[in-house]
Amino acid sequence: QVQLQESGPGLVKPSETLSLTCAVSGYSISSGYYWGWIRQPPGKGLEWIGSIYHSGSTYYNPSLKSRVTISVDTSKNQFSLKLSSVTAADTAVYYCARIRRDYVWGTTMEYYFDYWGQGTLVTVSS
Amino acid sequence: SYELTQPPSVSVSPGQTARITCSGDALPKQYAYWYQQKPGQAPVLVMYKDSERPSGIPERFSGSSSGTTVTLTISGVQAEDEADYYCQSADSSGTYVVFGGGTKLTVL
Repeated sequence: QVQLQESGPGLVKPSETLSLTCAVSGYSISSGYYWGWIRQPPGKGLEWIGSIYHSGSTYYNPSLKSRVTISVDTSKNQFSLKLSSVTAADTAVYYCARIRRDYVWGTTMEYYFDYWGQGTLVTVSS
Repeated sequence: SYELTQPPSVSVSPGQTARITCSGDALPKQYAYWYQQKPGQAPVLVMYKDSERPSGIPERFSGSSSGTTVTLTISGVQAEDEADYYCQSADSSGTYVVFGGGTKLTVL
């Protein structure tokens, strides 16, 4: 059974960098699939942050792209998120997930999240 | 930027049928996916590729697609189905992921 577990500081100061790690068990990241991050501000909806393949190929939400870096460490079977210059608007539950991303025909994709971590709340406050 | 539009809320009585819609210009080209989220829990995939049901999801959940609108239908709604439901898809190029704003299903 694939399991994902987020870890990292629960409190980050404004203007600093938020850093989270997602440890994967039950599946080797090197075997395939994309891996990604989603966030959810308190009482609000889901927002995709970005996705990464085991080779390091990345896709980022255009609204966050200038501040986001997602990386993968296949030796530790984990991937990470860094979000710079945070503000209170970045306060959210951050989820990591496994992503099914395959071309079906042309640019039509299968592109969805099949396994999720439990989520971790990150608060941006001084 | 590309958006998916969902109604904020849907209410039904137990045993009735709930229909939750999701509209987006790229939906004729890209598949839609649905997630159920209960308070304090991570989302759970309940429908993929418009109308495919993952293993373990009850048969009362079904999906359909017509033009720029996809619909999640829950037949014979049960109290345990009360949750937030999010549709998700990709932009027309298949590069970016987008979520709908979510629909709160209330079982009266």
